[in-house]
Amino acid sequence: AQSVTQPDIHITVSEGASLELRCNYSYGATPYLFWYVQSPGQGLQLLLKYFSGDTLVQGIKGFEAEFKRSQSSFNLRKPSVHWSDAAEYFCAVGAYNAGNMLTFGGGTRLMVKP
Amino acid sequence: EAGVTQFPSHSVIEKGQTVTLRCDPISGHDNLYWYRRVMGKEIKFLLHFVKESKQDESGMPNNRFLAERTGGTYSTLKVQPAELEDSGVYFCASRLTGGPNNEQFFGPGTRLTVL
Repeated sequence: AQSVTQPDIHITVSEGASLELRCNYSYGATPYLFWYVQSPGQGLQLLLKYFSGDTLVQGIKGFEAEFKRSQSSFNLRKPSVHWSDAAEYFCAVGAYNAGNMLTFGGGTRLMVKP
Repeated sequence: EAGVTQFPSHSVIEKGQTVTLRCDPISGHDNLYWYRRVMGKEIKFLLHFVKESKQDESGMPNNRFLAERTGGTYSTLKVQPAELEDSGVYFCASRLTGGPNNEQFFGPGTRLTVL
């Protein structure tokens, strides 16, 4: 069975600082990996995804993530955080052959200090 | 184009009552998913419709939960009778088979509180 672990429940960074959110997954085949963000009162918005190919993927809002098969990781990064990035971030793995159901990590809540 | 909408945004009910949540997917999306996030836990898959058929309902917690998608458009998720542990946020998502990126588009969720 697939699973996703986000080790950090809360992270606080200063505006302008760099950010890395950790994600580790367990999946028996090549995973389809996603990062979603949820701002207050909003639905889950897709930031980026990895299906195959280049292991460094670029997303919206200046985010990127790197797939590392050897470490079973898909960490999300941003070089300079903005106050508007404060939100909850979810890593997910998709089971393509099972109707694309997503298995989510527990989420990381990001707070941004001025 | 309207996104996925869910109604109500919040619902507060007493244990033993019935609640019905509604999801309107993006027009034309054949796949519809329900997920749930119980307080402090991860978002968990409940079930998946393809048009009006249940493709996968392996995540449904018990027979107090009934999901329908008559006509293959909007879907309802009924909880009867509600228990305290049903409290959480219920998300709906839709996807177009063969659409770009195989992306699931999520609604804002319904926050259910059972007292």
